[in-house]
Amino acid sequence: AAGVIQSPRHLIKEKRETATLKCYPIPRHDTVYWYQQGPGQDPQFLISFYEKMQSDKGSIPDRFSAQQFSDYHSELNMSSLELGDSALYFCASSFRLGIQETQYFGPGTRLLVL
Amino acid sequence: SQQGEEDPQALSIQEGENATMNCSYKTSINNLQWYRQNSGRGLVHLILIRSNEREKHSGRLRVTLDTSKKSSSLLITASRAADTASYFCATDARRVNSGGSNYKLTFGKGTLLTVNP
Repeated sequence: AAGVIQSPRHLIKEKRETATLKCYPIPRHDTVYWYQQGPGQDPQFLISFYEKMQSDKGSIPDRFSAQQFSDYHSELNMSSLELGDSALYFCASSFRLGIQETQYFGPGTRLLVL
Repeated sequence: SQQGEEDPQALSIQEGENATMNCSYKTSINNLQWYRQNSGRGLVHLILIRSNEREKHSGRLRVTLDTSKKSSSLLITASRAADTASYFCATDARRVNSGGSNYKLTFGKGTLLTVNP
């Protein structure tokens, strides 16, 4: 079965640079979520999109922005990178199904900021 | 803010033994989900239990939910070395927007389970 695809899998950037992470949800899924997991930490919710509209916002820095495109893929844009942005970034997708919803996670993009 | 707290933070057992991990949360929930993560890898969904359910089984997994105590437990029976991973509970935070509902997940700190062969 198709899973969530994230690219790139690994990314090394320097401070103050910009990074773009991409997420391709499971086909027919209409909701995309972005999470950030620092070393030894639990995943923290950043932002989500439902039907290409931003639906919820968590602890996402102003330096980050995201959008969902007409083909439902999503991109997380990160500017003015800081050392503390080094983390594993997960994308998850789901299909709205009434009162419960399982989120399926991608393999993550490991970002290292030097 | 932190929703789920997991207990214990680390657990080491022998193959064949049962492993029990607990999770507590603070607010009302719609459902609670358990995920597994191998070191530095992706999150794999294990099981979802709704707020109106008390127990659920899936293979060697058994999950309980006590909404009065705001707690859940994950039991892995007859553990295997391949079960070695971090286990996270995650609760939803329902937001009702126009046209639908969206559920971000709030994760606990996780339990690192080591199953020794």
